[in-house]
Amino acid sequence: AQSVAQPEDQVNVAEGNPLTVKCTYSVSGNPYLFWYVQYPNRGLQFLLKYITGDNLVKGSYGFEAEFNKSQTSFHLKKPSALVSDSALYFCAVRDRDNYGQNFVFGPGTRLSVLP
Amino acid sequence: EAQVTQNPRYLITVTGKKLTVTCSQNMNHEYMSWYRQDPGLGLRQIYYSMNVEVTDKGDVPEGYKVSRKEKRNFPLILESPSPNQTSLYFCASGGRATSQDNSPLHFGNGTRLTVT
Repeated sequence: AQSVAQPEDQVNVAEGNPLTVKCTYSVSGNPYLFWYVQYPNRGLQFLLKYITGDNLVKGSYGFEAEFNKSQTSFHLKKPSALVSDSALYFCAVRDRDNYGQNFVFGPGTRLSVLP
Repeated sequence: EAQVTQNPRYLITVTGKKLTVTCSQNMNHEYMSWYRQDPGLGLRQIYYSMNVEVTDKGDVPEGYKVSRKEKRNFPLILESPSPNQTSLYFCASGGRATSQDNSPLHFGNGTRLTVT
């Protein structure tokens, strides 16, 4: 069975500082990994995905994520946080060997960027 | 514009009164899914569909029905809503239903349902 853990419910960071939102996953096969962001009163928006190849993936709004197979992690990062980055972030995994497994989402991490 | 459209955005109803939340996508996606979002529980899948006339249960299907008579539409039906179905609901669609497809999901803006 697939699962995703986001160990921090809340992450606080000062504007201009680097940010990291953590994600670890468990999947029986090989993973596709995704990050989504949710702003208030909106649906989830796709940020970036890992398919294969380079372990550092770049996405929208200056975000990037680092895939680490040995640690089964896919942490979201940004070099310099903006107040407008404050939102709810979800990590998701899909087993690429079995579409029937569907997407599994983590519980979400609320990011607050303080001015 | 590529989008997933849910209606209504807000719905207040009473216990036992049947309701339908509509979902439509214009991207010709084979795969569609319904989720509910509750505080502290993240996103939980209710039902999903791999293609027309193909639907399957997710993690929390009790009390819900779906249908997929055409590719673009995937309505969520609550035959007899109860207060524990008060939640924020999202419809999503994504690509082809094959293992090689790595398309992300596209989400609607959500339906906030209150059952009293």
